[in-house]
Amino acid sequence: AQKVTQAQTEISVVEKEDVTLDCVYETRDTTYYLFWYKQPPSGELVFLIRRNSFDEQNEISGRYSWNFQKSTSSFNFTITASQVVDSAVYFCALSEADKLSFGAGTTVTVRA
Amino acid sequence: DTAVSQTPKYLVTQMGNDKSIKCEQNLGHDTMYWYKQDSKKFLKIMFSYNNKELIINETVPNRFSPKSPDKAHLNLHINSLELGDSAVYFCASSPSWAYEQYFGPGTRLTVT
Repeated sequence: AQKVTQAQTEISVVEKEDVTLDCVYETRDTTYYLFWYKQPPSGELVFLIRRNSFDEQNEISGRYSWNFQKSTSSFNFTITASQVVDSAVYFCALSEADKLSFGAGTTVTVRA
Repeated sequence: DTAVSQTPKYLVTQMGNDKSIKCEQNLGHDTMYWYKQDSKKFLKIMFSYNNKELIINETVPNRFSPKSPDKAHLNLHINSLELGDSAVYFCASSPSWAYEQYFGPGTRLTVT
């Protein structure tokens, strides 16, 4: 069974539009960690954010923001005022005591 | 200074051959990982080592054998290569399962 679901396979937006990437996870552990990673066309994987299961505060970093809701087991990611450089594949991941699960990724294309 | 390095970056070989990919991290992390990313960008964890000890061993053909001579190195040896092994292989490291991972640049393996 898929432990991390990223329902959106591809999203295409025009520059300056906002885009929200959905991530739904499944776990029975009370202690777990959630992550987002970015993979631009150049291929490297870049860490964006880490959240532990006890901290439901939303976080904003520049144009990026994350909404963590335990009640719906979701950890969504929003890019505000998207730019062409945001074009990439974005992965949501769940870590539970030596078990790691990555979502299938959402490909974001930002057109000028 | 490269945090996580992999060699080679590209590997083209014929079916049936045996090949190795090397990974080194200079971050002082205790945990290292190998991932396989297929052509659809799906990222699948293969192995995880913590302080040279195997922690995660996902359902991977036993033709794949990881070796960790010390906690800074995790090499991947593949025997009897098959066409389906063609993929990008990423090495990563982290302080532990609770923390973000730092990925190497990837090794693109092509089996002909």
